[in-house]
Amino acid sequence: QVQLVESGGGVVQPGRSLRLSCAASGFPFSRYPMHWVRQAPGKGLEWVAVISYDGSNQDYAVSLRGRFTISRDNSKNTLYLQMNSLGAGDTAVYYCARDHTSDYWGQGTLVTVSS
Amino acid sequence: QSVLTQPPSVSGAPGQRVTISCTGSSSNIGARYDVHWYQQLPGTAPKLLIYGYTNRPSGVPDRFSGSKSGTSASLAITGLQSEDEADYYCQSYDSSLSAWVFGGGTKLTVL
Repeated sequence: QVQLVESGGGVVQPGRSLRLSCAASGFPFSRYPMHWVRQAPGKGLEWVAVISYDGSNQDYAVSLRGRFTISRDNSKNTLYLQMNSLGAGDTAVYYCARDHTSDYWGQGTLVTVSS
Repeated sequence: QSVLTQPPSVSGAPGQRVTISCTGSSSNIGARYDVHWYQQLPGTAPKLLIYGYTNRPSGVPDRFSGSKSGTSASLAITGLQSEDEADYYCQSYDSSLSAWVFGGGTKLTVL
């Protein structure tokens, strides 16, 4: 069965960096585009980034361009999100999701930016 | 302010029908980009409910249906059940932003 498992979240100080991972299984990972979506506490969903099936194309939410980088390693069936210069506004649960329909989601990993 | 506008809340009694609107513009829904709908139960990850305006993934009851008209899309839920109480989000692609966008979400309360 399709599984997406995020990891790498935790408490990080403002201005620091963090890399999230999303381990995929149960489907041909290299054939699907992948998304990151985040949700601040008590708030709605916010789209973060997308990467093409082969990693050749990426796109980002306007407000995050330049700070976040999405990447993937198809040999490891793993999606990544590198987050730099983190601020309090980046505190959220980060989800990875499969395909442009986001038909499968992981359980999310919580990132808390706090001193 | 979300690019896609949803009512913050809707409510209905068990067995009733409710609709949730998602209003966009000529750069997203009006440009014929697909609209997807997600259900998020409290404390859980979102779940795909409707894709491509009207299509239901396997396992989603036919009580849930989607439609589109001009620059808006709608989610209808018939025969409301207590387990439908959740947050609902629409999503599309916006060409002026070159980005996927979500609506602000609608909280459904079953009275």
